[in-house]
Amino acid sequence: DIVMTQSPESLAVSLGERATINCKSSQSIFYDFNGKNSLAWYQQKPGQPPKLLISWASTRESGVPARFSGSGSGTDFTLTISNLQAEDVAVYYCHQYYSTPDTFGHGTKLEIK
Amino acid sequence: QLQLQASGPGLVKPSETLSLTCTVSNGSITSNNYCWGWIRQAPGKDLEWIGSICFRGSTYHNPSFKSRLTMSVDTSKKEVSLKMRSVTAADTAVYYCAGRQELLEYYFDSWGQGTLVTVSS
Repeated sequence: DIVMTQSPESLAVSLGERATINCKSSQSIFYDFNGKNSLAWYQQKPGQPPKLLISWASTRESGVPARFSGSGSGTDFTLTISNLQAEDVAVYYCHQYYSTPDTFGHGTKLEIK
Repeated sequence: QLQLQASGPGLVKPSETLSLTCTVSNGSITSNNYCWGWIRQAPGKDLEWIGSICFRGSTYHNPSFKSRLTMSVDTSKKEVSLKMRSVTAADTAVYYCAGRQELLEYYFDSWGQGTLVTVSS
């Protein structure tokens, strides 16, 4: 199975500042067939299910604010939240869907400093 | 906006069979290529993909569950079901149903509210 390692485990950022969350896969998840990386990012708020933010490492889901962006390729990926808002407090997960079984990162808890 | 809601018994005894249902609303359960997955989150553990099924019947499950699983789709009730046999305390988790556009190797673009299952005597 592909192991997804997220860092940091928790993060405190001031309102209006930038938050950066990293995700590393144990092997490349670059899909030659479509030239894309099979990585998604989800946001989970307390008592709610995960919500898809980004797919294919950098494609923002419809309705997701532009302050959320994804980058990276191969084995190293980053979720960046610019201009942090209070409503961004959540746990963020990365997910590789390159190979079965799907695997997820352990999560990064984002708080306001 | 597709809506999913997982439901279950809450408490199951060790060695028994866990039965979960995911109800689909505000959308079609028979959309071509749209498939349904089960993911769980045990306390302090990573999200774990359990298995997926498409309405035409194709299924795939995580090998770590060693064939303890049965998944089905009831199109008339708009329900997706999961049965997990021989449960142990390690199966205590919040169980989510989620949807994606392929059986495998795709992201989940819709998630239902989870249901907490506790395995205890």
